Amino acid sequence: NAGVMQNPRHLVRRRGQEARLRCSPMKGHSHVYWYRQLPEEGLKFMVYLQKENIIDESGMPKERFSAEFPKEGPSILRIQQVVRGDSAAYFCASSPEVSVFYGYTFGSGTRLTVV
Amino acid sequence: SQQGEEDPQALSIQEGENATMNCSYKTSINNLQWYRQNSGRGLVHLILIRSNEREKHSGRLRVTLDTSKKSSSLLITASRAADTASYFCATDAEGQNFVFGPGTRLSVLP
Repeated sequence: NAGVMQNPRHLVRRRGQEARLRCSPMKGHSHVYWYRQLPEEGLKFMVYLQKENIIDESGMPKERFSAEFPKEGPSILRIQQVVRGDSAAYFCASSPEVSVFYGYTFGSGTRLTVV
Repeated sequence: SQQGEEDPQALSIQEGENATMNCSYKTSINNLQWYRQNSGRGLVHLILIRSNEREKHSGRLRVTLDTSKKSSSLLITASRAADTASYFCATDAEGQNFVFGPGTRLSVLP
């Protein structure tokens, strides 16, 4: 496992479609974080998950957005009925334990374009 | 200012010069981190400094932390064109998650 793997790298969706973004954390990492980055801006926290649990979703929009990190398989960030304002880069990061003691390892991101 | 805000927003220097970026924050922290992001890429972790540390070095990077002023600085010495990137500080003031500032865009001119 070379690091945090995100796919796809680029995703184009029409307004109203669903977008599914996948993140496989580094081997041995059980904590996953999703961030969104608008052009020329910093990263905004969305959600923090551990296996089968959502720990903190305070940064998630109340509607259309959901996230999961199942016992088996990657973490999924799902955006239903996408709108143009959802166009952004979505980054996943992982850490071996609670991240306040460790740095994050980031994936390369998924760039979502809504047309 | 928001938690974890970098200054300046943009910085242009000549190759070989030193680059200094600052980060200010509002509430008490346990740790502060600096990350680099090349255009169109993910973030790369540079340094984590704990609240009981005052200075850390990694190669050409030097990070200081002044908890009394709630500020940190990142110094890149003998800059190279490859250092051109955006640099972000991140603080853990909101618990288990790191909050990122808007970043400093560094351009190193050959």
